[in-house]
Amino acid sequence: EAGVAQSPRYKIIEKRQSVAFWCNPISGHATLYWYQQILGQGPKLLIQFQNNGVVDDSQLPKDRFSAERLKGVDSTLKIQPAKLEDSAVYLCASSPGQGSSPLHFGNGTRLTVT
Amino acid sequence: GDSVTQMEGPVTLSEEAFLTINCTYTATGYPSLFWYVQYPGEGLQLLLKATKADDKGSNKGFEATYRKETTSFHLEKGSVQVSDSAVYFCALSGGYNKLIFGAGTRLAVHP
Repeated sequence: EAGVAQSPRYKIIEKRQSVAFWCNPISGHATLYWYQQILGQGPKLLIQFQNNGVVDDSQLPKDRFSAERLKGVDSTLKIQPAKLEDSAVYLCASSPGQGSSPLHFGNGTRLTVT
Repeated sequence: GDSVTQMEGPVTLSEEAFLTINCTYTATGYPSLFWYVQYPGEGLQLLLKATKADDKGSNKGFEATYRKETTSFHLEKGSVQVSDSAVYFCALSGGYNKLIFGAGTRLAVHP
């Protein structure tokens, strides 16, 4: 089966600019996650969708970050305006959404804010 | 809140050495526990999991046992290879199948 697809792989922007990341989950997976992984740290959940509804966005900085999952399939994560501390790898993951099913991760988008 | 603590790296071993990476957790209820691995240039991959107390997860020669009494899920391998060099993440599943990760432990295996 095809894995979780993310684009772009790398992005360099200046602070105060905006950026968007795209994710296409594994076909049929109801649950989609966006994680932020800062260098040297473990991934931190930003937002979790079940189909096209938000399950958890408690750690999403809503003043600058937004995410949507229209039609319950692919998703976009946007940052506007970016700050230096947003430099990280942004990981998308999906799961069938049943019980403790494992998450399948994409290769991530590495964002550098200068 | 729920959290995971794992030993700091890097861990440097010679090929065929014994590996232990410690992981302890704090959680309400009875979470499932996972080890994920991130090889250089690749995405996170599930290595093994355990869903209840005393379960042992195993894969590719790696093992970890869910110890409720010590709230631990230590990763072990009897004989590491150079190809095992990677970053290893311990994680627990919170509500709604949300994964909470430790900070990761980098393993470097030398010939």
